[in-house]
Parts: sequence; C-alpha cells; structure tokens
Amino acid sequence: SQQGEEDPQALSIQEGENATMNCSYKTSINNLQWYRQNSGRGLVHLILIRSNEREKHSGRLRVTLDTSKKSSSLLITASRAADTASYFCATDAEYGNKLVFGAGTILRVKS
Amino acid sequence: DAGVIQSPRHEVTEMGQEVTLRCKPISGHNSLFWYRQTMMRGLELLIYFNNNVPIDDSGMPEDRFSAKMPNASFSTLKIQPSEPRDSAVYFCASTRPDRNEKLFFGSGTQLSVL
Repeated sequence: SQQGEEDPQALSIQEGENATMNCSYKTSINNLQWYRQNSGRGLVHLILIRSNEREKHSGRLRVTLDTSKKSSSLLITASRAADTASYFCATDAEYGNKLVFGAGTILRVKS
Repeated sequence: DAGVIQSPRHEVTEMGQEVTLRCKPISGHNSLFWYRQTMMRGLELLIYFNNNVPIDDSGMPEDRFSAKMPNASFSTLKIQPSEPRDSAVYFCASTRPDRNEKLFFGSGTQLSVL
C-alpha cells in the first residue's frame, strides 16, 4: 500500500498564481521528499525535509512538514507554464531503506 | 555524468515472451531501485539492491519477475513469461552510498505486452 497520499489529485491554475499540494502519510518517517515528473519522463528530486524540520525553502518552492498530523505541503509560488507536471511525495519509513511514493498531484499551469 | 541509463526506451512484445529491461546506475551510487508505474497503482517499488545485493524484493509481483545486479554498473529486470497486465512504465533509480536520499531516476522503459 502507498505510504503517502497527495491531494488534490489534479490542480489547474493560471500562470503567476501559487499552487499548493498536500501529502499525508501513515507511519513515522526519517524524511519526506517531493519529486516532479514531466510527461513521459522519469522523476526528478525537488526537495527533502527531515522529520525534525518544519519548513524548508528552495527557490520558488516551500515545503512544510507536520509530523503530529503526518502531513506535508508543497507550495510553488508564482507558477509558470513550465511547472506543469505531476508532483509526488515520497517517504522513507524509520526502518528499512526504501522510498514509498504517493499517487501524485497533476498540476496544470495555464499561460 | 550521463545519469541513470535505461534500455530499451520502449518495448512491445507478445504475451508469453521473455522481456529483459536494463539499467546502468550513476557511477558511485551503490543503491539501485526498480519501480513500476501504472495509472491504477501508481509507483510501486519492486526491488532494491545495496552493494549489488538484493535487500527487499517484497514488491516483486510474482515468480515471473526476477532481478539481478551482477556488478555495480548494471542491473536487469526480467519478466518470463510476460502477461498483458505487466504493461507499465518501469523505472530504475539509484542513490549515493549509505543514504536513501535524492533518488536519481532513469527515463523509464515503456512496456506493452499484447
């Protein structure tokens, strides 16, 4: 079963708007990561946040983590058409050495 | 660095045929992962290796699937015999020694079993 579940499943916004995607997970984690997948391509790592961190920034990306609620959010500010892609959260269980991915959010940014 | 290299990019085969997917991880990465992606089930971890040794193959669907990593620079995922329900995109990913962080993915193999 998937560890992380994203919502919404799909999101359509205008260029320049902000996009927020959420991820919930079930078990304790060491870290949570976000990946992007363009159509027909492999996944690309965006950002990692550790279980003892609450917020992290990278360029136009802002990630938050609430371990008490077992949830994370990814905010993309000032979106661009090139941000159109699927976004996945991935978690590693405290045991083991593998990443489990959520179902993903499909983001469409209209120009 | 060329990144994770997978071949073939596309594979079309008939039910019952053997399929072999190939992966070359990034040099210096000692963990390698095989994932399968479908619309219905999303991204599923099939198996992963550390230092060429299979660590967890609990995601391998059934005995028709097998994976090997004979050396640090090459891995194969084999399906024999293939079935239409195996149709999916298969990804290989690698990461740095002793750190399950920042997976680097290949471009995937689009498998269609007719």
